[in-house]
Amino acid sequence: DAGVTQSPTHLIKTRGQQVTLRCSPKSGHDTVSWYQQALGQGPQFIFQYYEEEERQRGNFPDRFSGHQFPNYSSELNVNALLLGDSALYLCASSYGRGKDGYTFGSGTRLTVV
Amino acid sequence: QKEVEQNSGPLSVPEGAIASLNCTYSDRGSQSFFWYRQYSGKSPELIMFIYSNGDKEDGRFTAQLNKASQYVSLLIRDSQPSDSATYLCAGNTNAGKSTFGDGTTLTVKP
Repeated sequence: DAGVTQSPTHLIKTRGQQVTLRCSPKSGHDTVSWYQQALGQGPQFIFQYYEEEERQRGNFPDRFSGHQFPNYSSELNVNALLLGDSALYLCASSYGRGKDGYTFGSGTRLTVV
Repeated sequence: QKEVEQNSGPLSVPEGAIASLNCTYSDRGSQSFFWYRQYSGKSPELIMFIYSNGDKEDGRFTAQLNKASQYVSLLIRDSQPSDSATYLCAGNTNAGKSTFGDGTTLTVKP
């Protein structure tokens, strides 16, 4: 039973560039949530996708956008990268509203230089 | 005030001792609560969830929830060096969004 798969694992981008991160949820899960985790801090909620729609959004600017596909996989796009966007980006999948918790992927480490 | 606050730590206990991790939350709409373990350089891993007042035990782990006090805790009995990690507390609203604390780093010394 495959867990949550994220790609790429590491990425280095230049300020102002755009980046796309990808996530395949755990088999049987239909909801994907994206989090940003800075060093020494807890994961910060970016947004959540269910039935191909953004169901909830955290306090992140419009530079952060996403998409969910019919197979439940998801993408996170970040435009006009800033140095402060450097972080670990985590994808978490769940069934429905995640009453029993999330399964996290191994994350994408984004470095903006 | 952060929505989920954890005791800042770091917490150090000797092997075999009980480790106690605490968390408070401000959103009374939170319905279910989770403890995740995160090893350095790794992603969070769910270890316990609780949504009813009282205690829930799973092996060496006991989660406690007091909704009136907006308080969640995790006890780890017979702590082992392999328990050394950062423990994240999270609360879930009915809408399905999980809000995390900043974590407490636990070190279990042999």
